[in-house]
Amino acid sequence: GENVEQHPSTLSVQEGDSAVIKCTYSDSASNYFPWYKQELGKRPQLIIDIRSNVGEKKDQRIAVTLNKTAKHFSLHITETQPEDSAVYFCAASMSNDMRFGAGTRLTVKP
Amino acid sequence: DAGITQSPRHKVTETGTPVTLRCHQTENHRYMYWYRQDPGHGLRLIHYSYGVKDTDKGEVSDGYSVSRSKTEDFLLTLESATSSQTSVYFCAISEPPGEKLFFGSGTQLSVL
Repeated sequence: GENVEQHPSTLSVQEGDSAVIKCTYSDSASNYFPWYKQELGKRPQLIIDIRSNVGEKKDQRIAVTLNKTAKHFSLHITETQPEDSAVYFCAASMSNDMRFGAGTRLTVKP
Repeated sequence: DAGITQSPRHKVTETGTPVTLRCHQTENHRYMYWYRQDPGHGLRLIHYSYGVKDTDKGEVSDGYSVSRSKTEDFLLTLESATSSQTSVYFCAISEPPGEKLFFGSGTQLSVL
């Protein structure tokens, strides 16, 4: 089955700096790549997603890039704010088999 | 918690006892999922359903069973709970199927 690896496991940045989280996947048949944000004690929430026929997608301060050849995708957050502090999960999916990375704990220091 | 609710929110039980977790949705979505979340593992799919009485196994299905007798309800049962099943359990619905998962608030289960 699909295997998703996520790095780094923890990331600390200064407010206003950029943050990048990277994921790799193993199954070239995966065609959908979402990112979820989970605040402490809350449910994971979808923040952005990309399909395999698209190389990049942006939504305000958040962007995701996908390199199908290398089988990796990344989340970019610009101008980070304290409220961006959370755990972020990447995932790769084909049909109903969505596999998640282990998560990245992002801390934005004021 | 518009759209999807889980019950109970917290449960403590003893090894060997049966446990049932409930997920209820008001969105009339065909697809429903049960995930468990453990530190260092992200979220792992236990079982999913693609309609009434239609279910399939996920990545970590051993020790779990599910049932779906109505579109709105998806039940997860641990027939004989073990300490390794201590976890946070999330139910999810999706539209379109397999994408854009919307999660419930989760159930914290402790098996002592």
